[in-house]
Amino acid sequence: QKEVEQNSGPLSVPEGAIASLNCTYSDRGSQSFFWYRQYSGKSPELIMFIYSNGDKEDGRFTAQLNKASQYVSLLIRDSQPSDSATYLCAVNAGGTSYGKLTFGQGTILTVHP
Amino acid sequence: SAVISQKPSRDICQRGTSLTIQCQVDSQVTMMFWYRQQPGQSLTLIATANQGSEATYESGFVIDKFPISRPNLTFSTLTVSNMSPEDSSIYLCSVYESGAERFGSGTQLSVL
Repeated sequence: QKEVEQNSGPLSVPEGAIASLNCTYSDRGSQSFFWYRQYSGKSPELIMFIYSNGDKEDGRFTAQLNKASQYVSLLIRDSQPSDSATYLCAVNAGGTSYGKLTFGQGTILTVHP
Repeated sequence: SAVISQKPSRDICQRGTSLTIQCQVDSQVTMMFWYRQQPGQSLTLIATANQGSEATYESGFVIDKFPISRPNLTFSTLTVSNMSPEDSSIYLCSVYESGAERFGSGTQLSVL
């Protein structure tokens, strides 16, 4: 069964620290990996996506992908209270180049002042 | 990026009735999807809305319960039929654009 696993948290970090969010997936054929942020009562908002092994940086966010270990992570540098949200990892189905996302359960992040 | 509008934003419905949710995009997109997010849960893909042909449903979802229309490249509807309290969820449409899926604002459905 295709699965995406995340620690549900909550993960609590102080303001200014680095928050590290982790995700593992079971479908070795998956090619695209996504991180979304969801505030309570709102729809998911795309943070970034990564296709290749290694790191991809976008502002305070860095996504890391290791296909051999079937592992993808998101680092948030200089965490702010406004980063407090649920972070969803999503993986596309193997053999597809778009869509058909499988989501993890999400990690609740709390950034305290 | 595309602006994705969903209507209604929320509704309270009676058991046994049906609700049609609309998803409008401000640009033409090839791929549109419908998801369900049950209370306290993550997102589950219901179906891919194909323009000009029948939707492609995921395991556990059937056309009789969730009929989908996609008359053109900017619009789709999802109907939740013969509703029960178990259908109380947030329903989200998404579009594939510039390498990733982006979501509409969602429809919060409560079934009494």
